[in-house]
Amino acid sequence: GQQVMQIPQYQHVQEGEDFTTYCNSSTTLSNIQWYKQRPGGHPVFLIQLVKSGEVKKQKRLTFQFGEAKKNSSLHITATQTTDVGTYFCAGSGYSTLTFGKGTMLLVSP
Amino acid sequence: DTEVTQTPKHLVMGMTNKKSLKCEQHMGHRAMYWYKQKAKKPPELMFVYSYEKLSINESVPSRFSPECPNSSLLNLHLHALQPEDSALYLCASRGVGLAGKNEQFFGPGTRLTVL
Repeated sequence: GQQVMQIPQYQHVQEGEDFTTYCNSSTTLSNIQWYKQRPGGHPVFLIQLVKSGEVKKQKRLTFQFGEAKKNSSLHITATQTTDVGTYFCAGSGYSTLTFGKGTMLLVSP
Repeated sequence: DTEVTQTPKHLVMGMTNKKSLKCEQHMGHRAMYWYKQKAKKPPELMFVYSYEKLSINESVPSRFSPECPNSSLLNLHLHALQPEDSALYLCASRGVGLAGKNEQFFGPGTRLTVL
């Protein structure tokens, strides 16, 4: 079955530093979604990438989908304490999501 | 209304109890999901309902019994659970047939502790 690997598992940065999390799939993805889960919260949808080589930006967040549609990344520029949480990528099938293990981001002021 | 609600927020039950978790959405979504999430792990899919019919059961033990009474409601009936079933139970919904829009909307979850 489809597997989605995500690294790193955990990252601790100082406020203002950049952060990147990477996802790799064992198979070609039709699309990939990203979710953020704050501590004690629930996953919240951030974005969906569909096209090969697609790049989308949301303020300080930049999402990329690889040319082969097997990998994706999320980059946060100049992290803030509000960015704390776990970021999950998820490969989207017909009706289900295959989640990566997530990257927990901790930001120190 | 873009919200998925879940009750109760917290639940403590013994191994012989019977309880139910409830989920509700009024976005007109026709796909609804139950997930189980352990600490520091991703959500793990349990069940998928599509148009009120069970479409996916990820080999979940029969002590978990889902029910979809109508297009807005999703229940999860619990009976004879084990302590290892303690987890955050998340409900999610998704619009069906909406071109390019298949994100899932998650509820806040029910934190279940089985003693």
